[in-house]
Amino acid sequence: NAGVTQTPKFRVLKTGQSMTLLCAQDMNHEYMYWYRQDPGMGLRLIHYSVGEGTTAKGEVPDGYNVSRLKKQNFLLGLESAAPSQTSVYFCASSYPGTSPAYEQYFGPGTRLTVT
Amino acid sequence: GNSVTQMEGPVTLSEEAFLTINCTYTATGYPSLFWYVQYPGEGLQLLLKATKADDKGSNKGFEATYRKETTSFHLEKGSVQVSDSAVYFCALSGAGSYQLTFGKGTKLSVIP
Repeated sequence: NAGVTQTPKFRVLKTGQSMTLLCAQDMNHEYMYWYRQDPGMGLRLIHYSVGEGTTAKGEVPDGYNVSRLKKQNFLLGLESAAPSQTSVYFCASSYPGTSPAYEQYFGPGTRLTVT
Repeated sequence: GNSVTQMEGPVTLSEEAFLTINCTYTATGYPSLFWYVQYPGEGLQLLLKATKADDKGSNKGFEATYRKETTSFHLEKGSVQVSDSAVYFCALSGAGSYQLTFGKGTKLSVIP
């Protein structure tokens, strides 16, 4: 099991460029999430998905779009990158198990710099 | 809404010292509580969890007890090692919710 993987690991963009971050999980999890991590801010939820074909906004969705065409993949898109989107992006997944605690499993992260 | 407040770092300890990282929360109902750890250059890993009042989560020598009366979930370890150097995040999921609310993280450095 690879768990949660993210592609790419690093990326540098110029302001206005677009890109897509790919997240893949092989644990058959229903739920997937995209977070951004900034110094002193902890993790903030960008978008999430509770199943194939469904997505929803999190705490900081502006400037991002997502798609969940396949259960195992969750894509995060930046249509027109801005320096404020310089951050480390984490993908996570979880399953609606019988436990009340929905543990999330995280990928290794993508470090994005927008100049 | 839900919120998590944890002690600000960074925290620097000598090897074999006692560790406490404070975490308090605000939530309605009975949330589940978590501690995640992030080692340098890596993603977050679940360290321990507790799902109801008075539960004690434990793993790798770390412990935390769910205290509903004080809305706290403090992380403790009796004797830290250099390999424990990492950022620690307290988090909660509201009753019936699959979303996590994170604290801002506490960076721990352990020196030999």
